[in-house]
Amino acid sequence: GAGVSQSPRYKVAKRGQDVALRCDPISGHVSLFWYQQALGQGPEFLTYFQNEAQLDKSGLPSDRFFAERPEGSVSTLKIQRTQQEDSAVYLCASSEPDRGTDEQYFGPGTRLTVT
Amino acid sequence: GIQVEQSPPDLILQEGANSTLRCNFSDSVNNLQWFHQNPWGQLINLFYIPSGTKQNGRLSATTVATERYSLLYISSSQTTDSGVYFCAVEPVDAGGTSYGKLTFGQGTILTVHP
Repeated sequence: GAGVSQSPRYKVAKRGQDVALRCDPISGHVSLFWYQQALGQGPEFLTYFQNEAQLDKSGLPSDRFFAERPEGSVSTLKIQRTQQEDSAVYLCASSEPDRGTDEQYFGPGTRLTVT
Repeated sequence: GIQVEQSPPDLILQEGANSTLRCNFSDSVNNLQWFHQNPWGQLINLFYIPSGTKQNGRLSATTVATERYSLLYISSSQTTDSGVYFCAVEPVDAGGTSYGKLTFGQGTILTVHP
């Protein structure tokens, strides 16, 4: 089946604007993760959903970051009042731990540039 | 939190050479994955290998969980193997449960010349 998809692939925002990044996980995957990858670094965890429940948001860098998954499938990561330090690639991943493995599969990412 | 160290940070090879990438981690883990990040930024799953040995074509991986390290072997390297290789682990807490989130190493940048 189809893999994890993300949109938009590229987003340029002026400082202070709000942005919304979308993730479509693999169909049937109950676990969904958001990661942030700065240039030259490994991805860093932001938040985790099991179905519609946000069970871990310890990685969100500030209260300007907000994520939701209201129906347990598609998820949106929203960043309010963007700052230059928010420039990064935002990666979404999904997994299906009920199948006996929690292997995560990643989408292509959204590259956010804040000018 | 858990520390993940990858070595070497950079590796330059001639096509056809073999290589070994290493991942050390500081605590017990429930999950370990190796990824290849291609030049377009896509993370490609190579292995899900919390313990033991697996092989897939020219690639193989071994994780020794009790000694807290994993190795990725690339044989007969090709130019298409170029990119960044990441090791990522899912730590286990003292109660034996895990929370799903992956902690990544800094990656190994592999360049294969023709």
